[in-house]
Amino acid sequence: GAVVSQHPSWVICKSGTSVKIECRSLDFQATTMFWYRQFPKQSLMLMATSNEGSKATYEQGVEKDKFLINHASLTLSTLTVTSAHPEDSSFYICSARDFGDTLEQYFGPGTRLTVT
Amino acid sequence: GDSVTQMEGPVTLSEEAFLTINCTYTATGYPSLFWYVQYPGEGLQLLLKATKADDKGSNKGFEATYRKETTSFHLEKGSVQVSDSAVYFCALSDPGTGGFKTIFGAGTRLFVKA
Repeated sequence: GAVVSQHPSWVICKSGTSVKIECRSLDFQATTMFWYRQFPKQSLMLMATSNEGSKATYEQGVEKDKFLINHASLTLSTLTVTSAHPEDSSFYICSARDFGDTLEQYFGPGTRLTVT
Repeated sequence: GDSVTQMEGPVTLSEEAFLTINCTYTATGYPSLFWYVQYPGEGLQLLLKATKADDKGSNKGFEATYRKETTSFHLEKGSVQVSDSAVYFCALSDPGTGGFKTIFGAGTRLFVKA
């Protein structure tokens, strides 16, 4: 089946620094990728939708200058958390939609970010 | 806007017990409905889906029927196993109005005891 990878799987950074998380579709082309945030024992909150070659669409309440998303190719999207603070600590999950499949999304394993 | 409500957990069952996890939704259009499962330490996996009213999705012994009249998509399994312990998410996607976004319920954690 379709595989989505994320790197790193976990990261610890100091407050004020920036962290980049990569999301790759390994065996299919992803025209659309989604970034979610999951708090402990809670559901996934959609942060933004990114389409290859265009600007990401952010959900209401998500700071686009803080969470920079780049979908540079059909197999790679990146999320950069800029000037991270402890409240940004969370589990970040990406998903990708296969070109031609209007419904199914394939999820990455997630990245655990801890800001100290 | 569209939303998904599912029963709160955790749900604790003994092996071979019957499982029901309730899920209801609100949507302005005609959504497709999904159940995703998240095993400990892993990413979400699609468990089953249904794209229109009265469709039944099934996989690995799990079933759910798209009930438009009650706006529900309850997950059932006749005999659970310890390996079914995971978090289950009900979700909807409405390409007509939601732009392929998926809306998730809060998740229900299932513990199955041997």
